Amino acid sequence: ILNVEQSPQSLHVQEGDSTNFTCSFPSSNFYALHWYRWETAKSPEALFVMTLNGDEKKKGRISATLNTKEGYSYLYIKGSQPEDSATYLCAFEAASSSASKIIFGSGTRLSIRP
Amino acid sequence: SAVISQKPSRDICQRGTSLTIQCQVDSQVTMMFWYRQQPGQSLTLIATANQGSEATYESGFVIDKFPISRPNLTFSTLTVSNMSPEDSSIYLCSVEVLTFRETQYFGPGTRLLVL
Repeated sequence: ILNVEQSPQSLHVQEGDSTNFTCSFPSSNFYALHWYRWETAKSPEALFVMTLNGDEKKKGRISATLNTKEGYSYLYIKGSQPEDSATYLCAFEAASSSASKIIFGSGTRLSIRP
Repeated sequence: SAVISQKPSRDICQRGTSLTIQCQVDSQVTMMFWYRQQPGQSLTLIATANQGSEATYESGFVIDKFPISRPNLTFSTLTVSNMSPEDSSIYLCSVEVLTFRETQYFGPGTRLLVL
């Protein structure tokens, strides 16, 4: 059974501080790792798709790294702002032709204190 | 990209009743999916909605409980039948857009509370 774990489950950060959280996934049969941001009452929004070991992606103040050999990815937010408050989901995509190849973690809920 | 809308956005239902959730996409897409997220749990794939044929259900989900329609390439419905409090979840539809890597675009979700 494929398992994707995210930690911590929730996080409270002071505005202006930087933060990071983790996604752990199976290190075998890897195809891609996705990060999404899900704000309340909105659609989950795709942030990054990473495919290669050592990949680093950046979008504004948010960046992510990938280690496929040990099965983890970090998401970093620099200088947190209130608009960063959301649940951050990672999803492991296995090398398979089935639609059920994508397994989501349960998310890290981030709250930014003004 | 794709813009997806869902109706209703939220509902409170009595046990034993059924609710049909609609998903509309602004462009034709091949792959449409239905997910749910129970409180504190991961997003879990319920089924793939296939146009012109029966939906493909994941382990633990059956057609009698979650009938799905896909009459065309822009629209799908998911019905949650004979509801119980355990069906209280957020239900999301998503579509897959083939770019460099398959990316899923999600609807805003339907928040369902079953009393």
